[in-house]
Amino acid sequence: QVQLQESGPGLVKPSETLSLTCTVSGGSIKNYYWSWIRQPPGKGLEWIGYCYYTGYTYYDPSLKSRVTISMDTSKNQFSLKLSSVTAADTAVYFCGGGNGYIDYWGRGTQVTVSS
Amino acid sequence: DVQLTQSPSFLSASVGDGVTFTCRASQDISRYLAWYQQKPGKAPKLLIYGASTLQSGVPARFSGSGSGTEFTLTISSLQPEDFATYYCQQLNSYPRAGFTFGPGTTVDIK
Repeated sequence: QVQLQESGPGLVKPSETLSLTCTVSGGSIKNYYWSWIRQPPGKGLEWIGYCYYTGYTYYDPSLKSRVTISMDTSKNQFSLKLSSVTAADTAVYFCGGGNGYIDYWGRGTQVTVSS
Repeated sequence: DVQLTQSPSFLSASVGDGVTFTCRASQDISRYLAWYQQKPGKAPKLLIYGASTLQSGVPARFSGSGSGTEFTLTISSLQPEDFATYYCQQLNSYPRAGFTFGPGTTVDIK
């Protein structure tokens, strides 16, 4: 069974870069597309972007200028970098994977943007 | 970009009730729609994909229908564990385009 685990700092200062990593276990990272999704406090799900092991990425247009998603196939990991963060980027960040639909989800990690 | 709306935003129901809620897309997405269930503090769980195909392990009381721009999720007889928030997701033109989630429908105990 594929399992995902997010890791990274829980507190980021305004204007800095948020960096998270998702480690995939129980299957090859080459089998699926891998997404980052976030959920601001009390709000719904927001898709951020996805990547594939070939290097293909696609980002939500509203975040595209600040987002980079990359993959390290040797470590079965993929990562999110979100630059120039503000309080509006405070959210639970989930990593997920599947062939389109998100079959597999991490537990989520809280990231707070505050000085 | 495809936008999704869900109705109602909030639904109050009792155990044993049958409930149906709707997801509408701003343009034709064929059957490229999924439904997820999310409980507080937990990750979402895929229930239905391809508009009507039940994910493995999901109880048969859940069903989905629709195509084009209008989709429904039905729970035939609500169980205590079904009180949660339900999101639809579209993936039309995937992977050449992105995903969109609807704003969600919360099902609460009456």
